[in-house]
Amino acid sequence: QKEVEQDPGPLSVPEGAIVSLNCTYSNSAFQYFMWYRQYSRKGPELLMYTYSSGNKEDGRFTAQVDKSSKYISLFIRDSQPSDSATYLCAMKASNTGKLIFGQGTTLQVKP
Amino acid sequence: NAGVTQTPKFQVLKTGQSMTLQCAQDMNHEYMSWYRQDPGMGLRLIHYSVGAGITDQGEVPNGYNVSRSTTEDFPLRLLSAAPSQTSVYFCASSYSSYGGYTFGSGTRLTVV
Repeated sequence: QKEVEQDPGPLSVPEGAIVSLNCTYSNSAFQYFMWYRQYSRKGPELLMYTYSSGNKEDGRFTAQVDKSSKYISLFIRDSQPSDSATYLCAMKASNTGKLIFGQGTTLQVKP
Repeated sequence: NAGVTQTPKFQVLKTGQSMTLQCAQDMNHEYMSWYRQDPGMGLRLIHYSVGAGITDQGEVPNGYNVSRSTTEDFPLRLLSAAPSQTSVYFCASSYSSYGGYTFGSGTRLTVV
């Protein structure tokens, strides 16, 4: 079993929809949680970063972490065609260089 | 700042050949990592380093070697290439154990 599980999709939504992306994990030592966005044939770019539990909001993006359920989410409000990309969750424990990724979810936002 | 620079961008190897994928960063980051990305598999960690002279294995280390003689450079060596190593390889770096990682643009490797 992988340490981080993510539904690969694909997920297709109309423009303006609210998108919910999720990951589950098994390692209770994970403390730092991230979401990366990757456009086709490009490197991943950091989108959201959260430490421990709670919510973090940045514009149209909200990241949530529920450590008791080992579950993290990324919400995208008012989705745009430019949001079409692969979204990867990633997480790591303290004092380690091991950043572990989920499989990534491919999102398409249709105009 | 150039960020994380990977060379080459594309490479075709024959089975059994060796090569080194180069990665350099100019941000004085201590933490560096190598990942491979295959369809439907996400990013899988090959090797990582927490500073010059310190490296460790990730999830899929077999067939790959690394060394970290300077803070700036973290090369990945394929000792004897196999078709199963056909993939897109990404190098990433971070300033600390709790920071986000900055990724390079990747190297597309095909082993025939």
